[in-house]
Amino acid sequence: GAVVSQHPSRVICKSGTSVKIECRSLDFQATTMFWYRQFPKQSLMLMATSNEGSKATYEQGVEKDKFLINHASLTLSTLTVTSAHPEDSSFYICSAVEPLRGYGYTFGSGTRLTVV
Amino acid sequence: AQKITQTQPGMFVQEKEAVTLDCTYDTSDPSYGLFWYKQPSSGEMIFLIYQGSYDQQNATEGRYSLNFQKARKSANLVISASQLGDSAMYFCAMREGRSNQGGKLIFGQGTELSVKP
Repeated sequence: GAVVSQHPSRVICKSGTSVKIECRSLDFQATTMFWYRQFPKQSLMLMATSNEGSKATYEQGVEKDKFLINHASLTLSTLTVTSAHPEDSSFYICSAVEPLRGYGYTFGSGTRLTVV
Repeated sequence: AQKITQTQPGMFVQEKEAVTLDCTYDTSDPSYGLFWYKQPSSGEMIFLIYQGSYDQQNATEGRYSLNFQKARKSANLVISASQLGDSAMYFCAMREGRSNQGGKLIFGQGTELSVKP
């Protein structure tokens, strides 16, 4: 089946630094990628939608300058958390959809970010 | 705007018993899809079952079945013969539009299921 590889799985960074999270579709072309954020025991909140070759669409309340999303190819989308602060500590997870596969959404395994 | 609601923050069920997890939704789009996912403590999202808005029959996948009541806008998940390994967070999610449009998935608040031996 379709696989989305997400790296890193865990990262600890210092406050003020930037962190890049990668999601790579291994066996299909991910024309659209969704990025979610999840706090402990809470729901997955959609942050943004990225389409290959175009600017990401951010959900209301999500700072686009802080969460930079790049979808430069059909197999790779990245989320960069810039100038990270402790309140950015969360679980980030990506999901790819390949429309021709019907209703399938394939999720990455998630990245647990801790900002100290 | 699409909305999805899970009103049960936590549920307990005895091993081998059946359990129903509630989910209601709201959308003005006649085409939509409803999903259930399981999220164990590892964080991975495990797809369980899907129901399309035009599907005439309720979806079933092994021990999982979806009780789809379109007029009431509900899509409850029924897990039969609960197992200890079923203990996890369960999320209901909805996609507006047709499946080949690749629309965004919006998630409910989740229900934490605990299976007792």
